[in-house]
Amino acid sequence: EIVLTQSPGTLSLSPGERATLSCRASQTVSSSYLAWYQQKPGQAPRLLIQGASSRATGIPDRFSGSGSGTDFTLTISRLEPEDFAVYYCQQYGSSPITFGQGARLEIK
Amino acid sequence: QVQLQESGPGLVKPSETLSLTCTVSGGSISSYYWSWIRQPPGKGLEWIGYIYYSGSTNYNPSLRSRVTISVDTSKNQFSLKLSSVTAADTAVYYCARHNVQWLPGGAFDPWGQGTLVAVSS
Repeated sequence: EIVLTQSPGTLSLSPGERATLSCRASQTVSSSYLAWYQQKPGQAPRLLIQGASSRATGIPDRFSGSGSGTDFTLTISRLEPEDFAVYYCQQYGSSPITFGQGARLEIK
Repeated sequence: QVQLQESGPGLVKPSETLSLTCTVSGGSISSYYWSWIRQPPGKGLEWIGYIYYSGSTNYNPSLRSRVTISVDTSKNQFSLKLSSVTAADTAVYYCARHNVQWLPGGAFDPWGQGTLVAVSS
């Protein structure tokens, strides 16, 4: 099983700042089958990034993903008030499909 | 666009079987893989398993002995059964589509809104 470890657990920033979230895998994620999701309270997760770096339909270009192998990053270039939420990485290239433990982005 | 809706009892007694259905609207269940995911209150996401419209399945080893996922293409639905439940199975249960046709290697999009299932006597 591929274990995904996200850091930091909580990130406190202000609107307009840049956010960088990390996801490290215990083994190589095949074919960069790595996704990022955003979850707000009481809502289902929303797909942001797939294939490590491809934005999903309708996702603003301030969201970007990068990385390969075992190290992946989600960057939000300029935080908007609606971006404060919990973010999860997921690998879907190996079974079982696994998620990171989540990272909370909170307003400073 | 495709929409998913979970349905089923919100309360299940310990040792009984949890049963949920996901209804797909706005598109066909054919040609895609479909997953169940759960999230205990205040915790992270756990993948339960997936099914292809043809009926082939893959389950999380941590739950495999208790999980059955089935599909009814005539109703555009797929279902989850989780047996011998305990309080640890209390969670919001989501269904989701893998967003690549014919292959299991797709990210999850879209998701259903989720349904809370509590296990309690």
